[in-house]
Amino acid sequence: AQKVTQAQTEISVVEKEDVTLDCVYETRDTTYYLFWYKQPPSGELVFLIRRNSFDEQNEISGRYSWNFQKSTSSFNFTITASQVVDSAVYFCALTSGNTPLVFGKGTRLSVIA
Amino acid sequence: EADIYQTPRYLVIGTGKKITLECSQTMGHDKMYWYQQDPGMELHLIHYSYGVNSTEKGDLSSESTVSRIRTEHFPLTLESARPSHTSQYLCASSEGHGVGTEAFFGQGTRLTVV
Repeated sequence: AQKVTQAQTEISVVEKEDVTLDCVYETRDTTYYLFWYKQPPSGELVFLIRRNSFDEQNEISGRYSWNFQKSTSSFNFTITASQVVDSAVYFCALTSGNTPLVFGKGTRLSVIA
Repeated sequence: EADIYQTPRYLVIGTGKKITLECSQTMGHDKMYWYQQDPGMELHLIHYSYGVNSTEKGDLSSESTVSRIRTEHFPLTLESARPSHTSQYLCASSEGHGVGTEAFFGQGTRLTVV
């Protein structure tokens, strides 16, 4: 069975602080795919990143960066110099390929001006 | 850019009514999904389809039904709405050819049953 754990239910930071959202996953498959989605107050889930199990290279996109570590089954997401517009619920998700996405319970991030 | 549409965005309906939530995508995706999001944010898969005339139930037991007669259309029906059905419903689609491709989501339907 596949499982995604986001232990942080809610995080509150002051604008310009860095924040890391944790994601730990469980799967018996050797090939799998990890995702992060953002859900702003408007409701739709916005795709942020996809990473496959064979690519442990960390990725940076502007203020966003992702740290994938197979040894600890983690795929953490860091926002540098947070902004109020980053306030949203963030979901980590997992699939083995042809199965529907399994989501974590989400982390609600509030960035205070 | 993703083109997946859900209607209505908001719906308030009385107990016992039959309702259909619409979901359409213009990307030609074979795979489509319905997720139910409870007030605590958690997303639960209730139905999915990997192509026309193919539907499967998800992890969360649901009293809803779905159909997939056309590739682009994946409606969800509640035969008799109850207050426990009050939730946000999110539709998504993804490519059928690729493996582990990202899913694109609609804006959701927020359903309230009174």
